[in-house]
Amino acid sequence: EADIYQTPRYLVIGTGKKITLECSQTMGHDKMYWYQQDPGMELHLIHYSYGVNSTEKGDLSSESTVSRIRTEHFPLTLESARPSHTSQYLCASSEWEGHRLIYTFGSGTRLTVV
Amino acid sequence: SQKIEQNSEALNIQEGKTATLTCNYTNYSPAYLQWYRQDPGRGPVFLLLIRENEKEKRKERLKVTFDTTLKQSLFHITASQPADSATYLCALLNYGGSQGNLIFGKGTKLSVKP
Repeated sequence: EADIYQTPRYLVIGTGKKITLECSQTMGHDKMYWYQQDPGMELHLIHYSYGVNSTEKGDLSSESTVSRIRTEHFPLTLESARPSHTSQYLCASSEWEGHRLIYTFGSGTRLTVV
Repeated sequence: SQKIEQNSEALNIQEGKTATLTCNYTNYSPAYLQWYRQDPGRGPVFLLLIRENEKEKRKERLKVTFDTTLKQSLFHITASQPADSATYLCALLNYGGSQGNLIFGKGTKLSVKP
């Protein structure tokens, strides 16, 4: 079973609402990520973190923000949801196995903004 | 920065046949290349990693090859089963944009018919 957990799995919310997508991992990984994925499309990196108090923007511009106060927790927040934010959001963490970087993904949150 | 091309969006094959999926990259040769499996509505799951100095890697019915001259990796599933139906993603380290992060191809959706 995955050791990285995302809640909620599905969320339908009205325009203008503030939402927080939760992501927690129990593996003690320092590096964590948020990806956005539309149906049938590739993963786009929107945020990542090297560890506590570290947050970086990814390759795809996003109106969301993230925080990393604890190693195991990496929540993503949208201050004012819009229909254009409708997508699947995937959280991941990674570790180096020798010289190899291996990712573990959560099951994702499918967000629909109406 | 690095780009990944998985040249087939979809591949349909008959049960028992060998599925071959292709991953091409456009820029520098990575130290290693990874393959992930993604089921609908779920996050990707790591399958195999192959290093640049390895020609071939096997795991049960899976085989991956890596040709740095062609800038290509092939992913084979032998004796395919309907349970192998999923989207398969190729990934490698990106030293451009978000340095030290994996970038993912768009994926190839494999359907194995009984």
